[in-house]
Amino acid sequence: TAGITQAPTSQILAAGRSMTLRCTQDMRHNAMYWYRQDLGLGLRLIHYSNTAGTTGKGEVPDGYSVSRANTDDFPLTLASAVPSQTSVYFCASSDSTGGEGTGELFFGEGSRLTVL
Amino acid sequence: GQNIDQPTEMTATEGAIVQINCTYQTSGFNGLFWYQQHAGEAPTFLSYNVLDGLEEKGRFSSFLSRSKGYSYLLLKELQMKDSASYLCAVLDSNYQLIWGAGTKLIIKP
Repeated sequence: TAGITQAPTSQILAAGRSMTLRCTQDMRHNAMYWYRQDLGLGLRLIHYSNTAGTTGKGEVPDGYSVSRANTDDFPLTLASAVPSQTSVYFCASSDSTGGEGTGELFFGEGSRLTVL
Repeated sequence: GQNIDQPTEMTATEGAIVQINCTYQTSGFNGLFWYQQHAGEAPTFLSYNVLDGLEEKGRFSSFLSRSKGYSYLLLKELQMKDSASYLCAVLDSNYQLIWGAGTKLIIKP
């Protein structure tokens, strides 16, 4: 089972350019999440979706947008990248819709983004 | 504010036992998670505690004391493959996860 697939694995992006990080899951989980992980900090939630067709803002949503057209896909878009968005981005899913931590989270392998 | 504290790094010897502590100050409590993350890889679920006490799962055990805002992850019979970061996360009263920065565990032969 593939679980969660993220693409690209890594990317270098010029500041001001747009970028979409792709996330696809094959577990039919209702809830999906985007986190960023920075050295010395805990994972921070960017956006989430409890079910297809709905999305919500997490702790650090500014500069990012998401969509959830169907159960499997949850892309994250940076409309105009800035250097502070240099980070490792993790997509995750859960079969619980009761909230972010009410079920085990399954993570993708991460996308390392560098904004110059 | 909400806060999760874990040691930044710990070193232990193969075959030994190590205890990784996590203290938390959050607005409410609805459970505590431990995840393991190998370098360059995704975090994977280890344990979930919502009641006080010790939960044992093979070589790994997790303990919780809600009155003290404290948890620990105990790893026994350490193996080289246990070298990883261990992330503590608390589910607050709004059912939002507050993550610690993680503890990097280095295992030496």
